[in-house]
Amino acid sequence: DADVTQTPRNRITKTGKRIMLECSQTKGHDRMYWYRQDPGLGLRLIYYSFDVKDINKGEISDGYSVSRQAQAKFSLSLESAIPNQTALYFCATSEATGSYEQYFGPGTRLTVT
Amino acid sequence: DAKTTQPPSMDCAEGRAANLPCNHSTISGNEYVYWYRQIHSQGPQYIIHGLKNNETNEMASLIITEDRKSSTLILPHATLRDTAVYYCIVRVPYNFNKFYFGSGTKLNVKP
Repeated sequence: DADVTQTPRNRITKTGKRIMLECSQTKGHDRMYWYRQDPGLGLRLIYYSFDVKDINKGEISDGYSVSRQAQAKFSLSLESAIPNQTALYFCATSEATGSYEQYFGPGTRLTVT
Repeated sequence: DAKTTQPPSMDCAEGRAANLPCNHSTISGNEYVYWYRQIHSQGPQYIIHGLKNNETNEMASLIITEDRKSSTLILPHATLRDTAVYYCIVRVPYNFNKFYFGSGTKLNVKP
């Protein structure tokens, strides 16, 4: 089984709808991240969480919110989706020490019409 | 925060070494260089990282210049499966160890 899973893998939604993307990990890492990737570009950090009680905004948090329900679960919500939020979304985890290597999930492709 | 500059694309013949350059001229002394790759639209995959010394693992070698202003990722015997976008990233310890992804280099390995 994959260490980092994301659901759904693909989603099409309409403008104004609320949508939640979910991420689960079995690596036992404290740190979790949400990134967004637009076509032809690198990843940009939306939110990151260093533990269940510690959530921080990244570069592009406007229009997004997150919830860290447990060490293993980190959800990203779009309260009112808009077309320019159409993108590929990745969840990642890392340890708090050592190499800080980030492990990425398979991604969620979100289309807002 | 240190940023990285990479060529947008490179070609490499199958079986030959692929040398991917990265400039990080504003890197600070305690900032690490990481390399990840992304095959198609899959989640990025860790390759290697380093601070000052050259590093080697089963996937690749990382050569960092003495002034640390640039680095090169070397895939010693590129295969078609190495076709991917390669990201050179600086990890910023004083900024919660955040990773800053650039646009990467699309490596095309050709038969």
